[in-house]
Amino acid sequence: EAEVAQSPRYKITEKSQAVAFWCDPISGHATLYWYRQILGQGPELLVQFQDESVVDDSQLPKDRFSAERLKGVDSTLKIQPAELGDSAMYLCASSLGPDFVSYGYTFGSGTRLTVV
Amino acid sequence: LAKTTQPISMDSYEGQEVNITCSHNNIATNDYITWYQQFPSQGPRFIIQGYKTKVTNEVASLFIPADRKSSTLSLPRVSLSDTAVYYCLVGDVFTGTASKLTFGTGTRLQVTL
Repeated sequence: EAEVAQSPRYKITEKSQAVAFWCDPISGHATLYWYRQILGQGPELLVQFQDESVVDDSQLPKDRFSAERLKGVDSTLKIQPAELGDSAMYLCASSLGPDFVSYGYTFGSGTRLTVV
Repeated sequence: LAKTTQPISMDSYEGQEVNITCSHNNIATNDYITWYQQFPSQGPRFIIQGYKTKVTNEVASLFIPADRKSSTLSLPRVSLSDTAVYYCLVGDVFTGTASKLTFGTGTRLQVTL
């Protein structure tokens, strides 16, 4: 079964440092999503890409977070500077297209970020 | 944006049938109902999706009454490996923006012997 690859699996960083997460979606999946999941809560959408273009980044804290998908394949999510409140699981998901009802999402295993 | 309400947690014994109900009183005409399962330290995994009446697949059934203001995920004969958090999502992304879908806090199911 095809998987969404994410790395690193775990990351510990100090407050005010920069941190980056990488996601490789399932081959052929044009739509890519980054979610943040705080412990005990459900995932919340940060950004959605369609190919290399941002479709929705309305919930991305743009003062410190950035995301790119330069060639429309893999993607990087960056936080600079990291704050204690950024400690969370960062999940990447992909789908064939933006029509969730028809395609659904496939999630990766996530990157667990701890800011100290 | 349809808001969903689920029980925070449920307990069950192995071998029993488990029913998790989700309330979505302001569901819109074009909204579908989707359930995801999440194990610790993993991403959510699709279980089942429906629009009305009953949908069944190899792992679960989804019951949706005529008014569609609630839905019930039914897991037959649960095992220890079904211990997870279950999320009910209600939404329509025909417009292409996933921010219309919200996961909520989910229902934590604990299965014991």
